[in-house]
Amino acid sequence: AQSVTQLDSHVSVSEGTPVLLRCNYSSSYSPSLFWYVQHPNKGLQLLLKYTSAATLVKGINGFEAEFKKSETSFHLTKPSAHMSDAAEYFCVVTFKYTGTASKLTFGTGTRLQVTL
Amino acid sequence: DAMVIQNPRYQVTQFGKPVTLSCSQTLNHNVMYWYQQKSSQAPKLLFHYYDKDFNNEADTPDNFQSRRPNTSFCFLDIRSPGLGDAAMYLCATSSGGRVPYEQYFGPGTRLTVT
Repeated sequence: AQSVTQLDSHVSVSEGTPVLLRCNYSSSYSPSLFWYVQHPNKGLQLLLKYTSAATLVKGINGFEAEFKKSETSFHLTKPSAHMSDAAEYFCVVTFKYTGTASKLTFGTGTRLQVTL
Repeated sequence: DAMVIQNPRYQVTQFGKPVTLSCSQTLNHNVMYWYQQKSSQAPKLLFHYYDKDFNNEADTPDNFQSRRPNTSFCFLDIRSPGLGDAAMYLCATSSGGRVPYEQYFGPGTRLTVT
């Protein structure tokens, strides 16, 4: 069985300050891990992915995440928040589902608020 | 650009009146998924197709059906919508058989039931 825990349901930062969104996972297998972002009334956009290569993963829009196996964590960071980063962020773990389909296990989401 | 397209973006239907939501993709992916997402919740998988093979989630109500006439298109049919079916419906695709199995999402259709 696998699960994802997003430790904060809501994070508020000032524009220009660092962002940290926390995620812990549990998986029986070597996991593939993702962060998705969802802006209001929009679909989910893939920010970055970890696939057992480099543990520090760089994504779009200046985001990055570090896979720490010893801590079972995959926290998302950004050095400087921008107003456009305000959105819902989902940490996701996946495994091979049926023969070739994948099944995503979502965290409960973290709403990021960015203030002036 | 390759993408996942959903139509319409907003759909209003009446209680009990059948409705169909549409998804198309230009990624040529084998797998297509339908998710239901209610307010402030994570998406919930309803079912998926791998090519023409249909895979239903155990807790998906019988009221929800799907069709995939070809690789590019997939439809979600709600036979008798109830007020509790009002939600965002997301279509996603993935390339079957490849690591890391990420899914690519469309913009969603927001369904309102009156």
